[in-house]
Amino acid sequence: GDSVTQMEGPVTLSEEAFLTINCTYTATGYPSLFWYVQYPGEGLQLLLKATKADDKGSNKGFEATYRKETTSFHLEKGSVQVSDSAVYFCALSANNDMRFGAGTRLTVKP
Amino acid sequence: NAGVTQTPKFRVLKTGQSMTLLCAQDMNHEYMYWYRQDPGMGLRLIHYSVGEGTTAKGEVPDGYNVSRLKKQNFLLGLESAAPSQTSVYFCASIPGGPIPYNEQFFGPGTRLTVL
Repeated sequence: GDSVTQMEGPVTLSEEAFLTINCTYTATGYPSLFWYVQYPGEGLQLLLKATKADDKGSNKGFEATYRKETTSFHLEKGSVQVSDSAVYFCALSANNDMRFGAGTRLTVKP
Repeated sequence: NAGVTQTPKFRVLKTGQSMTLLCAQDMNHEYMYWYRQDPGMGLRLIHYSVGEGTTAKGEVPDGYNVSRLKKQNFLLGLESAAPSQTSVYFCASIPGGPIPYNEQFFGPGTRLTVL
């Protein structure tokens, strides 16, 4: 079945460092891809999405490009802030459900 | 708009007890979902509904039942709770239409512990 694999955490970075969180997927059809962010004690919030190959999603300085040839949707940010500390989930959507990766916890230190 | 709300926020049960989790949304969304979140496993879909009066099984439906009697409410029931159902439960909704093109709106979660 469809699935998402993302890099295991936790990830700890210093403020202003470059961030990459890897995400690859397996799907039989043509899914849409998402990154969600979860802050402590809260539900998930959509960070960005891409609905077809070569689309780039972006929001709040984060970017991810839908790469069909490598079945990947890696999350990047050029300069992280302490406020970016959270758990990040990669997800794909096809048919009638959504599949999530295990989540990657990011901690950014001042 | 309150968005998606969940009741209760926390609950402790003993093995064998039953309970119902309530999810409510005020956005007139057609589709609603119940997930559980466990450490290292991300979110897994339990059941979902594509409209009032409809329900369907997700990835991990065993031990749970759901009902969607009103469009704005989606109830998740545990008839006989087991320790393996200790988890954080999230409800989500989308406006409707082809799911691949819609983001899901999530509630704040219910933390359930089964002793």
